[in-house]
Amino acid sequence: AQKVTQAQTEISVVEKEDVTLDCVYETRDTTYYLFWYKQPPSGELVFLIRRNSFDEQNEISGRYSWNFQKSTSSFNFTITASQVVDSAVYFCALSEPYSGAGSYQLTFGKGTKLSVIP
Amino acid sequence: GAVVSQHPSRVICKSGTSVKIECRSLDFQATTMFWYRQFPKQSLMLMATSNEGSKATYEQGVEKDKFLINHASLTLSTLTVTSAHPEDSSFYICSAPAGLNNEQFFGPGTRLTVL
Repeated sequence: AQKVTQAQTEISVVEKEDVTLDCVYETRDTTYYLFWYKQPPSGELVFLIRRNSFDEQNEISGRYSWNFQKSTSSFNFTITASQVVDSAVYFCALSEPYSGAGSYQLTFGKGTKLSVIP
Repeated sequence: GAVVSQHPSRVICKSGTSVKIECRSLDFQATTMFWYRQFPKQSLMLMATSNEGSKATYEQGVEKDKFLINHASLTLSTLTVTSAHPEDSSFYICSAPAGLNNEQFFGPGTRLTVL
């Protein structure tokens, strides 16, 4: 069975501080995808990144960066120089392998609520 | 990118009534759509997989007769909460895969409040 653990329930940081959101996953599959989504108070999920299990290269996108460590089954997300607009709930998710049948399911972590204080 | 819409965005109803929520893929076809439920301050839990032309697949613990799913066309799936009760109050989100890699695209969600 797949499982995603986000141990941090809530985090508060002061604006301009860096913050790392942790994500640890469990799966028996050798091929899978990892995701991060942002959910602002409006509720709509905003896609941030998708990572293939074969691609362990870290990625940077502006103030966002992701550290994928297959050896420790972790996919951590760092926001540098945080801003008030970063305040949201962030979800890490894991998908089963794409079967070729047309779709796959996502297993979500419980989410981490980030509050950036001005 | 692919766009998924949901209607209504918010609904308030009396206990005992039925509520229908629509999920539409606006610029692509989706043979499969997913329905999630999110309680306040909690994660998204997959309820069921909606399949065009066949019966939906429900996750363990989800009542089929309570949450009726109909995948009417390649762009529309509906979730009907029958005889709604206050404990059904939740945020319902649908998603559909699209693109070469079948990336999931989420609808904006429907907030249901049952009085």
